Amino acid sequence: SYELTQPPSVSVSPGQPARITCSGDALSKKYAFWFQQKSGQAPVLVIYEDTKRPSGIPERFSGSSSGTMASLAISGAQVDDEGDYYCYSVDSGGHLGVFGGGTKLTVL
Amino acid sequence: EVQLVETGGGLVQPGGSLKLSCAVSGFNFSGSAMHWVRQASGKGLEWVGRIRNQANTYATAYSASVKDRFTISRDDSKKMAYLQLTSLVPEDTAIYYCSSLSYWGRGTLVTVSS
Repeated sequence: SYELTQPPSVSVSPGQPARITCSGDALSKKYAFWFQQKSGQAPVLVIYEDTKRPSGIPERFSGSSSGTMASLAISGAQVDDEGDYYCYSVDSGGHLGVFGGGTKLTVL
Repeated sequence: EVQLVETGGGLVQPGGSLKLSCAVSGFNFSGSAMHWVRQASGKGLEWVGRIRNQANTYATAYSASVKDRFTISRDDSKKMAYLQLTSLVPEDTAIYYCSSLSYWGRGTLVTVSS
């Protein structure tokens, strides 16, 4: 079955940049989406179609994709950005969705 | 205001069935694919399946772990999405979210236990 691989954790100091990666064979052909989930809350979409930012999401969040890796970057991470981040995409056939295992972002 | 509200969760015995509902308002439901995503306690998000819109023939797709046991449906006139769960096993215990990917509900808890 298709898998997306993320690092389990990323830690940065406040104001420093953060980058979370997501690798998967089909990412060279399929879009990546990124979700933020804070403890006890539902996920929130922060990036869609690799690079697009929904309204209301701070400009410090950006996405990119190259080859089989997609990335979520936070320029100047804030304490409020702490949480779990998940990438999502579909398999090469475009039918089956899959989430990455999630990355716990710590800002301290 | 966008709202997705899941209902129908609860305690069910192994082998049992349950039907979850998702009531939607505030966005173009009929034009959107709808997904069900679950999350076991302390674990990551798991994609369960999705149903596309009418223009895409309401096509459904399911993860291997639920295929042939779960069924997704929708009623565009009522702005509702549904997830029928059958042949439940303890490993299906999770919070079940309904989502368009852009928007998410708060989830409903399904517990499979004797």
